[in-house]
Amino acid sequence: TQLLEQSPQFLSIQEGENLTVYCNSSSVFSSLQWYRQEPGEGPVLLVTVVTGGEVKKLKRLTFQFGDARKDSSLHITAAQPGDTGLYLCAGPPSNDYKLSFGAGTTVTVRA
Amino acid sequence: GAVVSQHPSWVICKSGTSVKIECRSLDFQATTMFWYRQFPKQSLMLMATSNEGSKATYEQGVEKDKFLINHASLTLSTLTVTSAHPEDSSFYICSAPTSGLLYEQYFGPGTRLTVT
Repeated sequence: TQLLEQSPQFLSIQEGENLTVYCNSSSVFSSLQWYRQEPGEGPVLLVTVVTGGEVKKLKRLTFQFGDARKDSSLHITAAQPGDTGLYLCAGPPSNDYKLSFGAGTTVTVRA
Repeated sequence: GAVVSQHPSWVICKSGTSVKIECRSLDFQATTMFWYRQFPKQSLMLMATSNEGSKATYEQGVEKDKFLINHASLTLSTLTVTSAHPEDSSFYICSAPTSGLLYEQYFGPGTRLTVT
């Protein structure tokens, strides 16, 4: 059983469209990280959110951490083909330091 | 971001042989490193926590005698898959935190192991 549930599992959109990926849990997390992974490579850390209700922006990417620190979302505005990849949310449950990963969302942005 | 390297990037070995995978933190010291395994189209599963100068901590269900971990220095951890079998074929990835925040981890590029 995964602590973090990601949705959707797959997302295919046209260049220029917006997309949102969700990461939900019934457990409280002390922080959540978002990673992007390309085939045959390791995950690359995009952002860490720590405070409940926090919103962080990274160019066209907006990350939110829920008030109760049980959920997070990643929103991409005007997606580009370079945004294609596997997006993973991960975090340590509040009583642990080890990362628990979501199953991932495969995003494909068509030119 | 911080740089973590892995070597080799891919390896093919015969069933019954052992394979060593190295994980290095290139621009920082890491007293703790983590080893993950990832099957095709699946997420990462933590195998073990590697601690410099002490024994590794293995997750439930991971055979410590099969997956030997050594963290000999502050920049190097090794994972040795002993007596490899085809079911050990997978993508192995290490990570290391750069600060006291153990959850903020930087990942290596991964090692693709194929056992024939």
